[in-house]
Amino acid sequence: DTAVSQTPKYLVTQMGNDKSIKCEQNLGHDTMYWYKQDSKKFLKIMFSYNNKELIINETVPNRFSPKSPDKAHLNLHINSLELGDSAVYFCASSQDGNPRTPTYNEQFFGPGTRLTVL
Amino acid sequence: KNEVEQSPQNLTAQEGEFITINCSYSVGISALHWLQQHPGGGIVSLFMLSSGKKKHGRLIATINIQEKHSSLHITASHPRDSAVYICAVLEYTGNQFYFGTGTSLTVIP
Repeated sequence: DTAVSQTPKYLVTQMGNDKSIKCEQNLGHDTMYWYKQDSKKFLKIMFSYNNKELIINETVPNRFSPKSPDKAHLNLHINSLELGDSAVYFCASSQDGNPRTPTYNEQFFGPGTRLTVL
Repeated sequence: KNEVEQSPQNLTAQEGEFITINCSYSVGISALHWLQQHPGGGIVSLFMLSSGKKKHGRLIATINIQEKHSSLHITASHPRDSAVYICAVLEYTGNQFYFGTGTSLTVIP
């Protein structure tokens, strides 16, 4: 059973297109994240959703919009794709309900989606 | 300057060696994470620390909140430990994550 899944695994598209990446977690976690890993392998957080509310919104372009239909899903929509958007995007989830639990804030990562914009 | 600094950037070790990777940070934090990214790209969370020390198998992570420093130790290293190890901190307000640039470890048989 996959804990955090992302689709698609690879996405190749033309500049200017609109695309979505889906993320689902079956861990019952209440917080989900989107990260971007650039070509230099530097990992940077983009968004975090807790119980369907945005709680971190880093300085990413507003072409990127997270959508959370329920707490098990956090999808990433990207409009008007640019060359610089090419990267690997990771989804993750964590359970932040009780700081005393051993797995509090431990993050579980999806396999990543490699986006290539041509 | 990055809020999280890791050292060394690259590390090559012989199988069986004891390995230490260091992480220093400049912000007040509520938690520090150690992540492992395998050559295939997958990321695994190794530890989440807010104080003291945690051990899991051959991996040990320590944190000194006063000194704003954490170390990840690997005992009896093995080639399958070859990966990039990333330190990340959750700033104390809970609203900012900062990542180190990673330490690339290669363990030679």
